[in-house]
Amino acid sequence: AQTVTQSQPEMSVQEAETVTLSCTYDTSENNYYLFWYKQPPSRQMILVIRQEAYKQQNATENRFSVNFQKAAKSFSLKISDSQLGDTAMYFCAFGSGGSNYKLTFGKGTLLTVNP
Amino acid sequence: NAGVTQTPKFQVLKTGQSMTLQCAQDMNHEYMSWYRQDPGMGLRLIHYSVGAGITDQGEVPNGYNVSRSTTEDFPLRLLSAAPSQTSVYFCASSYSGRGHAPLHFGNGTRLTVT
Repeated sequence: AQTVTQSQPEMSVQEAETVTLSCTYDTSENNYYLFWYKQPPSRQMILVIRQEAYKQQNATENRFSVNFQKAAKSFSLKISDSQLGDTAMYFCAFGSGGSNYKLTFGKGTLLTVNP
Repeated sequence: NAGVTQTPKFQVLKTGQSMTLQCAQDMNHEYMSWYRQDPGMGLRLIHYSVGAGITDQGEVPNGYNVSRSTTEDFPLRLLSAAPSQTSVYFCASSYSGRGHAPLHFGNGTRLTVT
């Protein structure tokens, strides 16, 4: 079974600064996807970014980028130019077999962006 | 386009009662999943379905039943509710089971079992 560990229960950052959220995972699979989901107070789950394990190039989506270290089984999320609307719970998730529906989630990191 | 609709939004049950959490999607998605979210635990997979008539267990299936008689609907049944089932429940769907496809989440059902 896979495990996903987010070692930072809470983090805070000043508006416009950069913050990095950590995620490590444990698996024996070679074919998988990794995801970062954002959950604001509205409770809606919103996909932030995804990474296919076979791709060495780190994924980027506007102000969000990942540092994917496959050998170290690490998948951190960097948020640049933090905005107040980035305040949310962030979950790292592992997609077994390259799936998007059989996900194993970490416990989450609560990110607060301060004005 | 309604997306993934979960009903009810809130529910309070007494121990031993039964109920069904509804999940419906209007996007003709084959893949559907149920997750529960507990404080400090992240989301955990309960059951999933890869198409009408096909369901399978996830990480925490005990105490829950599912069926998939149509593509649109994927109800989650609690036969005898227990306080340990107090949680927020999310349904999700996708047109493809591959990671490149977006996963659409419903807005969740908050269930309290007293």
